[in-house]
Amino acid sequence: DVQMTQSPSTLSASVGDRVTITCRASQSISSWLAWYQQKPGKAPNLLIYKASSLQSGVPSRFSGSGSGTEFTLTISSLQPDDFATYYCQQYTNYPLTFGGGTKVEIK
Amino acid sequence: QVQLVQSGAEVKKPGASVKVSCRASGYIFTNYHLHWVRQAPGQTFEWMAWINTGNGDTKYSEKLQGRVTITRDTSATTAYMELSSLRSEDTAVYYCVRGHASGGYYAFQHWGQGTLVTVSS
Repeated sequence: DVQMTQSPSTLSASVGDRVTITCRASQSISSWLAWYQQKPGKAPNLLIYKASSLQSGVPSRFSGSGSGTEFTLTISSLQPDDFATYYCQQYTNYPLTFGGGTKVEIK
Repeated sequence: QVQLVQSGAEVKKPGASVKVSCRASGYIFTNYHLHWVRQAPGQTFEWMAWINTGNGDTKYSEKLQGRVTITRDTSATTAYMELSSLRSEDTAVYYCVRGHASGGYYAFQHWGQGTLVTVSS
């Protein structure tokens, strides 16, 4: 199985901060990586697919980069609605696997 | 718009089975695979299985192989996930999910609202 390792697991930040979350795959997944945002009690929301493609309707302050085994999700200026948990997911090898999540908290 | 509507919460005893439904609307049902993903309390997501809604082919997680069965009813545009021999570790929210594309590799764009399955004696 492809192991997905996210860091940090928790991140404290303020509104307006630039935030970066890292996701590492245990083997190359090319660019077949997605990022999701999840709020408590809700289903996840797709933010980024194919490592860097912004899903329609997602604010442009979200961006993704990377390929192979190293990926990042960046929020250029954190907004109050962005406090949530973020997950990466590889979708090239079965079983499809997710990172452990990064909770973005208010500082 | 695409909608995936799941059946309601379930409470089951260890050793029992549970069957969760997922009714799809807003697109051509047989054009997209449907996946099942679960999330135990406070945990990340675990991919369980997918079904080719066109021809009924399935693929299961090796971990759950033998306990999970995915089926579909094309006339009802509904997919089903049945999990047997339930144990406490199966307590989770179960989601049906559809990809953002109909072929090749795809991320999960559309999610059902989730169904909480609680396994407790």
